[in-house]
Amino acid sequence: AQTVTQSQPEMSVQEAETVTLSCTYDTSESNYYLFWYKQPPSRQMILVIRQEAYKQQNATENRFSVNFQKAAKSFSLKISDSQLGDTAMYFCAFMVTGNQFYFGTGTSLTVIP
Amino acid sequence: GAVVSQHPSRVICKSGTSVKIECRSLDFQATTMFWYRQFPKQSLMLMATSNEGSKATYEQGVEKDKFLINHASLTLSTLTVTSAHPEDSSFYICSAGGPETQYFGPGTRLLVL
Repeated sequence: AQTVTQSQPEMSVQEAETVTLSCTYDTSESNYYLFWYKQPPSRQMILVIRQEAYKQQNATENRFSVNFQKAAKSFSLKISDSQLGDTAMYFCAFMVTGNQFYFGTGTSLTVIP
Repeated sequence: GAVVSQHPSRVICKSGTSVKIECRSLDFQATTMFWYRQFPKQSLMLMATSNEGSKATYEQGVEKDKFLINHASLTLSTLTVTSAHPEDSSFYICSAGGPETQYFGPGTRLLVL
């Protein structure tokens, strides 16, 4: 069975500072994908970053980067230079090729002006 | 990126009526689509997998006679909530994609009075 765990229900960060959101997962699969999604109050799921498990290099997208530790089954998200628009719920997700997503319980991030 | 649309974006209905929600992949074909349900401040929970040309696969605890799914074409899946009750009020999200990622619709907010 696939499980995704986000142990931080709520977090806050000062504007322009850096914050790291934690995520661990469990699977017996060898080929899979990991994602971080942002869900603002509109509730539209917005892809933040994606990582293929077979790639050792950590994915980066502008101010967003991940620390992917495959052996430890850890996939944390680092947000640099936090902006007010980053305030949202963040979900870590796991997908086996061609299959459905498994989501963590989410981390509510608040960026403080 | 690919676009998935949902219609309606929000619906209010009386208890006992049926409501149909459409999920469309606008610029790609999808043999499989997924339906999720999200309660306030909670994560997305998979309800069912919609398969084009065959029966949907429901997750444990989801009543298939309550939540009817039809995937009649490669770009359209519908979810019908039959005889809706107030406890069915929720946010419903669909997704479609390929073997390496999924694209999420904007969601449908259902309120049953």
